[in-house]
Amino acid sequence: EAGVAQSPRYKIIEKRQSVAFWCNPISGHATLYWYQQILGQGPKLLIQFQNNGVVDDSQLPKDRFSAERLKGVDSTLKIQPAKLEDSAVYLCASSSGLAGHEQYFGPGTRLTVT
Amino acid sequence: AQSVSQHNHHVILSEAASLELGCNYSYGGTVNLFWYVQYPGQHLQLLLKYFSGDPLVKGIKGFEAEFIKSKFSFNLRKPSVQWSDTAEYFCAVPRGSQGNLIFGKGTKLSVKP
Repeated sequence: EAGVAQSPRYKIIEKRQSVAFWCNPISGHATLYWYQQILGQGPKLLIQFQNNGVVDDSQLPKDRFSAERLKGVDSTLKIQPAKLEDSAVYLCASSSGLAGHEQYFGPGTRLTVT
Repeated sequence: AQSVSQHNHHVILSEAASLELGCNYSYGGTVNLFWYVQYPGQHLQLLLKYFSGDPLVKGIKGFEAEFIKSKFSFNLRKPSVQWSDTAEYFCAVPRGSQGNLIFGKGTKLSVKP
């Protein structure tokens, strides 16, 4: 089965610019996660969707980050405006359910903000 | 609040050496514990998980982990490492009932051939 797809794989922008990342989860997976992984740290959850509804966005910096999953399938994460500290790898993951279900991760998008 | 700590940042071993990577957690709910692995150039993937029952959990590629409730630990072990085990290893616990995870900072394992 196809894995989690993400694009772009790499992105370099200047601070105060905007950027968007796209994720297509494994077919049939209702739950989708966006994690941020800063160099030297483990992934940190930004937002979790169940179908097209938000389950947890408590750690999403809502003044600059937004995400949507309009049709309950693919998802977009946006940063506007970007800051230097947003430089990180943005990981998308999906699972077939909530607690206890294995999360399948995509390759990530490496963002560099200069 | 839930938290996970991994004791070792970088571990260097020779092939055939035994491996133990430490993981301690703080979690108030039902304990579910995970180890994920990221091989160079590859996606993060599940290595093994503990939900209930036998505290000794076996995963892929000969890895195992033991849940010790009294020590709040879930250490990862392998009796004999191979060069192909070179990777970064992450311990994780659920943040709550929704299934998203809190990850430790990771331990980078380098195995010398």
